[in-house]
Amino acid sequence: KAGVTQTPRYLIKTRGQQVTLSCSPISGHRSVSWYQQTPGQGLQFLFEYFSETQRNKGNFPGRFSGRQFSNSRSEMNVSTLELGDSALYLCASRLTGSGETQYFGPGTRLLVL
Amino acid sequence: KQEVTQIPAALSVPEGENLVLNCSFTDSAIYNLQWFRQDPGKGLTSLLLIQSSQREQTSGRLNASLDKSSGRSTLYIAASQPGDSATYLCAVRRSGGGADGLTFGKGTHLIIQP
Repeated sequence: KAGVTQTPRYLIKTRGQQVTLSCSPISGHRSVSWYQQTPGQGLQFLFEYFSETQRNKGNFPGRFSGRQFSNSRSEMNVSTLELGDSALYLCASRLTGSGETQYFGPGTRLLVL
Repeated sequence: KQEVTQIPAALSVPEGENLVLNCSFTDSAIYNLQWFRQDPGKGLTSLLLIQSSQREQTSGRLNASLDKSSGRSTLYIAASQPGDSATYLCAVRRSGGGADGLTFGKGTHLIIQP
């Protein structure tokens, strides 16, 4: 069974631009979560989607948004990019959004210049 | 607010040694705890998941324990190998149906010397 896939793997943007990242969960998984990883803050939870609905949201500004499609694929959007948004963005999926193991993708590395 | 601490931040040991990585969390109301490893520039690989009602989980040379009342978990790695070199991350999920995001520690950077 294929794992979690994320596209693109690398991205360079400039301040003020917006970016959209994509995540395809493991087949059959209905829950998709997004995390931001930076050297200073470590891994931080952004939000989780389950059956096209946002269930939980971390402590991030409204510039960070996401959505989930009927096939469980998810996209994350960051508008008005700031230098501090440079990070590894990780997507994770799990089966039903309860307490099961969470499986992570390889991440999208975003550099904001 | 849940806080997760991992000690030590870095560890370097010779191949073949048994070692213990520590994780502590401030709020004992957790749904489960998960250990991951992360190789440089890569995503996270799930190692072990311990539900709040469990005391330990084992997978091959790895054994993870959970003491929810004291807010501690340990990851024991037996007979370490150079391929075990990675950053090990501990994460907890708050209780409440398991629907919340994971709260991560900063990780332990492990180097196994050949």
